Amino acid sequence: TQLLEQSPQFLSIQEGENLTVYCNSSSVFSSLQWYRQEPGEGPVLLVTVVTGGEVKKLKRLTFQFGDARKDSSLHITAAQPGDTGLYLCAGLDSNYQLIWGAGTKLIIKP
Amino acid sequence: DAGVIQSPRHEVTEMGQEVTLRCKPISGHNSLFWYRQTMMRGLELLIYFNNNVPIDDSGMPEDRFSAKMPNASFSTLKIQPSEPRDSAVYFCASSPFLNTEAFFGQGTRLTVV
Repeated sequence: TQLLEQSPQFLSIQEGENLTVYCNSSSVFSSLQWYRQEPGEGPVLLVTVVTGGEVKKLKRLTFQFGDARKDSSLHITAAQPGDTGLYLCAGLDSNYQLIWGAGTKLIIKP
Repeated sequence: DAGVIQSPRHEVTEMGQEVTLRCKPISGHNSLFWYRQTMMRGLELLIYFNNNVPIDDSGMPEDRFSAKMPNASFSTLKIQPSEPRDSAVYFCASSPFLNTEAFFGQGTRLTVV
C-alpha cells in the first residue's frame, strides 16, 4: 500500500513566522500536487511539481519536489492569517492514481 | 465556468434512509471522482469515472454505496440504507484528463442520526 505521510499534522504559529510542511513517501511519484482547503470548501490546487529537484514559487510559498520524486516540501515565508487552512499533498503514482496525504492543519494567529 | 456543483450542501437524515448526493462536473472534463472526508480518515477516494465509465470502485466501503454517471454532466452517489458512520463530507471532483489537476465542489455535509 502506498502511503504519503505529511508532517506536522497540526501547526499553530504567529503571523510573520516561517514554516515548512513535509510530504514523504517510499514510493516514486510522476508528479505531486499541493492543495489548500478552507473550512466549508473543497481543496483548491496550489501547484503541481513534476521534475525531480523542481522548485516552484507562489508569492510567499515555495514548493520543492525531491530529487528522487519521493518527497516534497512547502515553505511559507512570513505567514499571514490568510494562509490558515488545511494543506494537502497528493502524489500521482505509476497507475495514474492520486495518493493523498492526511493533511497539515495550519493556523496563523494575528 | 461555475465549477463543480454539488447538491445538497447539507443533508441530515435518519439511519436507514436512502441518501442521494448529486454532482455536476465542469463541462468538458473527462474524469469524475467521489471522495469522502472525515477527521479520522482524511480524504478517501470512493470511486472514479473516466468518460462516464466507472474505472475503480475499490474505495466504496460497502454494497450500501453505489454511484452512477448516466451522462457527462451528471453523477450521483447513493447510500442505501444510511448509517451513522456514513456521516462525513462527500466531495465530487472533476479533471480534464485522468488524474491531472482535480477541481473540487464545495462538498455535501452528510449527517446520519
